[in-house]
Amino acid sequence: TQLLEQSPQFLSIQEGENLTVYCNSSSVFSSLQWYRQEPGEGPVLLVTVVTGGEVKKLKRLTFQFGDARKDSSLHITAAQPGDTGLYLCAGTSNSNSGYALNFGKGTSLLVTP
Amino acid sequence: DAGVIQSPRHEVTEMGQEVTLRCKPISGHDYLFWYRQTMMRGLELLIYFNNNVPIDDSGMPEDRFSAKMPNASFSTLKIQPSEPRDSAVYFCASSPLGRGYEQYFGPGTRLTVT
Repeated sequence: TQLLEQSPQFLSIQEGENLTVYCNSSSVFSSLQWYRQEPGEGPVLLVTVVTGGEVKKLKRLTFQFGDARKDSSLHITAAQPGDTGLYLCAGTSNSNSGYALNFGKGTSLLVTP
Repeated sequence: DAGVIQSPRHEVTEMGQEVTLRCKPISGHDYLFWYRQTMMRGLELLIYFNNNVPIDDSGMPEDRFSAKMPNASFSTLKIQPSEPRDSAVYFCASSPLGRGYEQYFGPGTRLTVT
């Protein structure tokens, strides 16, 4: 099982601040996904990155896949209370059987007005 | 469009009882996944199916757990007998052909075994 370490585990910030959360592994991933989960709901897919060095933007969210495809970061600009939630990264590797995703334990983000 | 549907949303049962969780994937999706989420272990894949056939069940904890997918629109996860350590939120997810890593999750079933 490929371990995905996410940091920080918890983050509490004020509305308008910027933040970056990280997802790291010693394994190479063929693709990496970011999900957001709100209390009482299932995770919702935000983005998939597949190419080393790839950068994707989703409104105020910027996702980057490391050149070696072992790590990823999520940067949020001008955070809003609606960004509050658990951010999970998940990856698939060539050694996995098909589409078995390994999830990190997540970064719990709280944005206060 | 309807998303992944799970039932029940909450289940409270006593140790030793049989528990059956149900899932209806998104129509047209070829993959179906069962996950378990706890505070300690996070989100763990239990088993997944492709076209109703189990592909990887290495995450199923033990023989007390079993999963079936009798057709493309229905799957069950059964625990018999249940134990307190099985208490968790169980998620079902589905994904389309060729994009199995882009998974759409249901709302989950919160299971409490007393």
